[in-house]
Amino acid sequence: DAGVIQSPRHEVTEMGQEVTLRCKPISGHDYLFWYRQTMMRGLELLIYFNNNVPIDDSGMPEDRFSAKMPNASFSTLKIQPSEPRDSAVYFCASTTDSNQPQHFGDGTRLSIL
Amino acid sequence: RKEVEQDPGPFNVPEGATVAFNCTYSNSASQSFFWYRQDCRKEPKLLMSVYSSGNEDGRFTAQLNRASQYISLLIRDSKLSDSATYLCVVIFYGQNFVFGPGTRLSVLP
Repeated sequence: DAGVIQSPRHEVTEMGQEVTLRCKPISGHDYLFWYRQTMMRGLELLIYFNNNVPIDDSGMPEDRFSAKMPNASFSTLKIQPSEPRDSAVYFCASTTDSNQPQHFGDGTRLSIL
Repeated sequence: RKEVEQDPGPFNVPEGATVAFNCTYSNSASQSFFWYRQDCRKEPKLLMSVYSSGNEDGRFTAQLNRASQYISLLIRDSKLSDSATYLCVVIFYGQNFVFGPGTRLSVLP
């Protein structure tokens, strides 16, 4: 079975540009999570969805970040405009239930110059 | 105080050694517990769930102490391939996954 699929794997762009990260959860998983990981702050939950509806976006750092889930098989995380401090690895994860283990994608390594 | 805390390490141990990590959590209203493993430049992967009665999976043993609010992971006969960062995860009632900062383990030849 395919796991969580994220794209792109790597993104390097200049500050001020719009960045779009994509995620396809495991089929049948009703929960989708976006995380950011840095050396300084570790793994941080940004937002999560249940049945395509955003449930908790309290971890989204600021208005420059937005996330959508138009259907059960696709989600995007956008940063506009991007800043160097947004450089991090962004992970998407999915699960069947909020009490069950989450399955992570390979992550997107984002560098903002 | 952070919700979930771990000793960051690194723990440097020789092959074959037994090593144990603890993870403390601040909120007694906790529901589920897991240990994840993360290799360098890779995604976190589930290592094992932690059950109230304790559980074992091969060389790995996980235990939960609700009274003292910590979980532990014991690795016996450590292998070079066990070198990774080990993340504990706590699900608190009404919240979602809360990851600890991770403990780095290096198993040396």
